[in-house]
Amino acid sequence: GAVVSQHPSRVICKSGTSVKIECRSLDFQATTMFWYRQFPKQSLMLMATSNEGSKATYEQGVEKDKFLINHASLTLSTLTVTSAHPEDSSFYICSATLAGGVTDTQYFGPGTRLTVL
Amino acid sequence: AQTVTQSQPEMSVQEAETVTLSCTYDTSENNYYLFWYKQPPSRQMILVIRQEAYKQQNATENRFSVNFQKAAKSFSLKISDSQLGDTAMYFCAFMNLYSGAGSYQLTFGKGTKLSVIP
Repeated sequence: GAVVSQHPSRVICKSGTSVKIECRSLDFQATTMFWYRQFPKQSLMLMATSNEGSKATYEQGVEKDKFLINHASLTLSTLTVTSAHPEDSSFYICSATLAGGVTDTQYFGPGTRLTVL
Repeated sequence: AQTVTQSQPEMSVQEAETVTLSCTYDTSENNYYLFWYKQPPSRQMILVIRQEAYKQQNATENRFSVNFQKAAKSFSLKISDSQLGDTAMYFCAFMNLYSGAGSYQLTFGKGTKLSVIP
C-alpha cells in the first residue's frame, strides 16, 4: 500500500514552453503533498508544500509564478513549470502523507526527469 | 532552521561486512523524528528506518539499526551483513513535529554514497 506515482517519468521540452508533472496517490488519500527538486549528485530540496483545496506554501527562493502547484483533490497534485529554461532541468520528486493517518511518513513518487533544451 | 550534516560523501564496504554512516543535526526543538532514506540508482526514495526523538530505544529494522544520541544530536545508521542491493545514496532527514509553518517537512542531509563491493 501507500503507492505514489508520477507522470511523466521523463520529459524533454524546448526552452520557453510549459511542462506539467502529475503526482498521484494510488491507493490512499493524501492530506499533504510535497514537491522536491534534486540536482545531479545533490540532496532533495523542498520546493513547496501543498494541501488539498489550499494554496501551496513555497519555500524561500522558489518562484511561485514559475512553479505552479495545484492540489485539486486528495489524490492528485500537479506541478507546472512555466516558461521552462535550461536551468530548470532537474529531477523533480513528489511525496504524499496519508489523510487521517500518521502524517510523519512521506511516501515518495519515482520522480520526473525534466530536460529543457 | 534545522540543519542536517552527513560528513561522509562516499563510503564503501565489503559484502557481508558492517558499515556505519554518520549524521548530525542541529535543532532547538524537542519533538521531532529522524529518518534514513535510501535512493538506489532508480532514484526511488525508500524509507529505511525511523526514530522518534522521545524514544530512548534505538530503532532497528532487520539488518539496519541506528545509534541515536539525542544530547549529542547524532543519528548514525549501521548496516550489518551488507548486500550488493544496499548500494545506494543514503540520506539522513529531520522532521519537526510542532504545529505551524514548516511542521512535518523533511530536511535532508547531502547524502552518503555507499558502494558494496563483492
